[in-house]
Amino acid sequence: DAEITQSPRHKITETGRQVTLACHQTWNHNNMFWYRQDLGHGLRLIHYSYGVQDTNKGEVSDGYSVSRSNTEDLPLTLESAASSQTSVYFCASSATKALNTEAFFGQGTRLTVV
Amino acid sequence: AQSVTQLDSHVSVSEGTPVLLRCNYSSSYSPSLFWYVQHPNKGLQLLLKYTSAATLVKGINGFEAEFKKSETSFHLTKPSAHMSDAAEYFCVVSVFTGNQFYFGTGTSLTVIP
Repeated sequence: DAEITQSPRHKITETGRQVTLACHQTWNHNNMFWYRQDLGHGLRLIHYSYGVQDTNKGEVSDGYSVSRSNTEDLPLTLESAASSQTSVYFCASSATKALNTEAFFGQGTRLTVV
Repeated sequence: AQSVTQLDSHVSVSEGTPVLLRCNYSSSYSPSLFWYVQHPNKGLQLLLKYTSAATLVKGINGFEAEFKKSETSFHLTKPSAHMSDAAEYFCVVSVFTGNQFYFGTGTSLTVIP
């Protein structure tokens, strides 16, 4: 079955370190998204991509970057981790840009910055 | 501008009683609306979606939602709660093409035995 997987599931890192969270989907979807989930905020969009070599900033992109070198993967990099980036991160993918297209989500990565 | 407001951060119901989770949206354009469920330490799963084909939408596990344009609401209901329904529920709006989702802050559903 097609799926979307995130790794690692849990990560503890120190302030100032660079961290990369992996996201891999086997749906062959063009669209991929990264969200962070924080209490009282729901999920907020960090970055998104509509295809290979395409990346776009979302609502809360400061301190994060992504790259899309193939259809399957959209790694999220925290350039210099900060305590404010402690959160649960979700990757998602969707097939098209059409308005009513649902997204499929990974299991999440819990990141703690100490 | 577009936004989603989930009117209750926590809802508690007894097993076997009806569930009502409230959602209001704001959008300058005709939106698509979704409800997702998140069980503890799990990813998000699609419950149902509204795409303008019908105002009453049926989803998985006995859930349904009614789109009311005049009230800008998309409330989620279930006739009889089950213990396995205990989870976090998110109302989501998508506007324009580009498939960008805007999430509500979530409603935590507790089911009391």
